[in-house]
Amino acid sequence: GDSVTQMEGPVTLSEEAFLTINCTYTATGYPSLFWYVQYPGEGLQLLLKATKADDKGSNKGFEATYRKETTSFHLEKGSVQVSDSAVYFCAPSSGGSYIPTFGRGTSLIVHP
Amino acid sequence: NAGVMQNPRHLVRRRGQEARLRCSPMKGHSHVYWYRQLPEEGLKFMVYLQKENIIDESGMPKERFSAEFPKEGPSILRIQQVVRGDSAAYFCASSPGGKNTEAFFGQGTRLTVV
Repeated sequence: GDSVTQMEGPVTLSEEAFLTINCTYTATGYPSLFWYVQYPGEGLQLLLKATKADDKGSNKGFEATYRKETTSFHLEKGSVQVSDSAVYFCAPSSGGSYIPTFGRGTSLIVHP
Repeated sequence: NAGVMQNPRHLVRRRGQEARLRCSPMKGHSHVYWYRQLPEEGLKFMVYLQKENIIDESGMPKERFSAEFPKEGPSILRIQQVVRGDSAAYFCASSPGGKNTEAFFGQGTRLTVV
């Protein structure tokens, strides 16, 4: 089945710093790739997605590029804000049922 | 268009009791997924259902846990004879199905077994 490896958290940054959260995956066939974000006490919500190789997903200043050759989908943001503090999940979705697969997530803490 | 609705948000059960968690998917969605989240462990897939059918239950414990998604009404995750180790946040997600579609999550049910 699918699996995902994300960098260990928490990632602690100062406001306006550059963010990278690494994600590599193994998947059956040709997956779609998603990043979800979870704010405290809430469910997950979609942040961005990419559905084919070299696609770049982007939303709210976050970006991630589908790299098929390295099976990676790293999340980046040029200038983080305190309000970006949350847990971020990379999720491939493939196979016959396209069940999203999640890992441990990466906690991001942004200080003023 | 209402989002995915889960209830209750918080549920306290004594050891040995039954827990019933409900999930109403988004309108038009026929695919439902249940996940369990423990602190520091991320989301673990439990079961995937379509209307009246269990498609994949590879993440469900073999005993005490069951799930259904009837033709009418919400999806139900049922945990019989709960134990302390069942304490977790349980999330439901729905989607219209298909390769490129995202899953929409509810706010979760936080089960505490005392």
